[in-house]
Amino acid sequence: AQKVTQAQTEISVVEKEDVTLDCVYETRDTTYYLFWYKQPPSGELVFLIRRNSFDEQNEISGRYSWNFQKSTSSFNFTITASQVVDSAVYFCALNSGANSKLTFGKGITLSVRP
Amino acid sequence: DADVTQTPRNRITKTGKRIMLECSQTKGHDRMYWYRQDPGLGLRLIYYSFDVKDINKGEISDGYSVSRQAQAKFSLSLESAIPNQTALYFCATSDPGLAGGQFTDTQYFGPGTRLTVL
Repeated sequence: AQKVTQAQTEISVVEKEDVTLDCVYETRDTTYYLFWYKQPPSGELVFLIRRNSFDEQNEISGRYSWNFQKSTSSFNFTITASQVVDSAVYFCALNSGANSKLTFGKGITLSVRP
Repeated sequence: DADVTQTPRNRITKTGKRIMLECSQTKGHDRMYWYRQDPGLGLRLIYYSFDVKDINKGEISDGYSVSRQAQAKFSLSLESAIPNQTALYFCATSDPGLAGGQFTDTQYFGPGTRLTVL
């Protein structure tokens, strides 16, 4: 069975602060894929990143960075110098096995105050 | 135009009514999915289809049915709606190809349908 835990439910920061969203996953498969999605107040789900289990390189995209550590089964997401537009619900998801089904965490609501 | 569209975007209905939610995509993907989102529960898979002749139940399929009319269309039906089916429903598509040697079965989501059952 696969499981994704996002222990933080709500985070509130002031603009320009850095913030890290935690994601811990469980799977028995050796090959798996991890994802982050953003759900802004408008409601749509926006794909942010995919990481394969055999690639532990961290990734940076502008103010966003992701830290993948197989040793701790974690795939954490950091927003540097947060902005009000970063306010959203962020979901971590796991796809393992051959059936291509995504298992989502319960999401983290991030509020960035001006 | 959006790659994945859902109609209607909002729907209010009464208990016992039959409801159909429709999803269309122009991404050319073979795989399509229906999820529901409830506050604090994340997204849960209702049904998925890997091609027009393939339909599979997800973790919460009871009370729902689907139809894959074409590669680009995947409909979700609530045969007799009940209040606990009030939720935000998402359609998603994916293509299990490889690009640069890496798996690319990323799911892309439609804008969602907000359904309220009174």
